[in-house]
Amino acid sequence: AQSVTQLGSHVSVSEGALVLLRCNYSSSVPPYLFWYVQYPNQGLQLLLKYTTGATLVKGINGFEAEFKKSETSFHLTKPSAHMSDAAEYFCAVSSPFGAGSYQLTFGKGTKLSVIP
Amino acid sequence: DAGITQSPRYKITETGRQVTLMCHQTWSHSYMFWYRQDLGHGLRLIYYSAAADITDKGEVPDGYVVSRSKTENFPLTLESATRSQTSVYFCASYSGTGNYGYTFGSGTRLTVV
Repeated sequence: AQSVTQLGSHVSVSEGALVLLRCNYSSSVPPYLFWYVQYPNQGLQLLLKYTTGATLVKGINGFEAEFKKSETSFHLTKPSAHMSDAAEYFCAVSSPFGAGSYQLTFGKGTKLSVIP
Repeated sequence: DAGITQSPRYKITETGRQVTLMCHQTWSHSYMFWYRQDLGHGLRLIYYSAAADITDKGEVPDGYVVSRSKTENFPLTLESATRSQTSVYFCASYSGTGNYGYTFGSGTRLTVV
């Protein structure tokens, strides 16, 4: 069975500082990996995804993540935090079902606060 | 408008009442999902559907019923609401091919009193 562990339910960074949100996964098959962002009172928005190919994936709003198979990790980074990055971030791993489709399993989320 | 729409956005109901949360998508996506979001638990899958008239249980299906008579609609019914079902409910859809991303609705905040 697939599972996701997000280290740190709450992370605080200063504006302009590096953002690092940690995600480790377990999967019995080659995974698809995702990061979603949730702003207050909104649904989840896809930030970036890894399916195959290049292990460094770039997403929206300057975020990127690197798939490291040996470490079973998919950490999310951004070089310089902005106030608008304050949100909750969810890592997710796929588990395949039926004809190439898949089901997502989410981590418990990390709430990012940005301090002015 | 194109997209995935959930209604209502907010709902307060009493214990024991039946309540239905609606989800409508305009893309004709094959797959639709219902998740609940609770503090400390992240998102947990309640039910999903691979096509019209095909549904299956997720991680936490007890107390919920779904149907999918049309591809675009995927209502979630709480047959007899309990306080433990107070949560934020999200519907999502996925085409089943290609892009691999789920698209989420804006959620329904349900309070059972």
